Amino acid sequence: GQNIDQPTEMTATEGAIVQINCTYQTSGFNGLFWYQQHAGEAPTFLSYNVLDGLEEKGRFSSFLSRSKGYSYLLLKELQMKDSASYLCAVMDSNYQLIWGAGTKLIIKP
Amino acid sequence: GAVVSQHPSWVICKSGTSVKIECRSLDFQATTMFWYRQFPKQSLMLMATSNEGSKATYEQGVEKDKFLINHASLTLSTLTVTSAHPEDSSFYICSARALAGNQPQHFGDGTRLSIL
Repeated sequence: GQNIDQPTEMTATEGAIVQINCTYQTSGFNGLFWYQQHAGEAPTFLSYNVLDGLEEKGRFSSFLSRSKGYSYLLLKELQMKDSASYLCAVMDSNYQLIWGAGTKLIIKP
Repeated sequence: GAVVSQHPSWVICKSGTSVKIECRSLDFQATTMFWYRQFPKQSLMLMATSNEGSKATYEQGVEKDKFLINHASLTLSTLTVTSAHPEDSSFYICSARALAGNQPQHFGDGTRLSIL
């Protein structure tokens, strides 16, 4: 079967750095996506990785290792507005998105 | 770029009413649109995938006759919840993907549906 695993909840301090991990087992691979979802709102697209390595976009970076079935989202200089759920999703061989359950990130002052 | 508009944002109606939700891609053509449902504090649940000009593909357990999907053009898909009941109350979110297969899905703002 297809499976995406990510921690249910994480807590971090304002100004710090946090890494949210995602491991996956899917039928084929056409890329991994990270989305941010604030409570009561729809998800917004953060990043896309299809090749191994690190993609940096401002305070957010995303890393992929296809051989390990592993990705992480790195958030630097955390701000209170970063409190949200972060969703990992993998596109399988049929170009269907397989969604993780999301990681709720709580930022404390 | 990649803006998806979803209307209405909120719907409150009586049991037995049918409700139509529209999803439009404003600045790109979307061959594929997706409809999700999300209950409070739970993850996204894919209901159906719709491709322009063809019938939608429903996920297991989703009633086709209950949730009617029409994808008449490359920029518009609609979801109609027929004869809605209180258990249909939920947050419904659409997303759209551009022509190429490995493009990200871009989401509308969602529709909060409350059936009294």
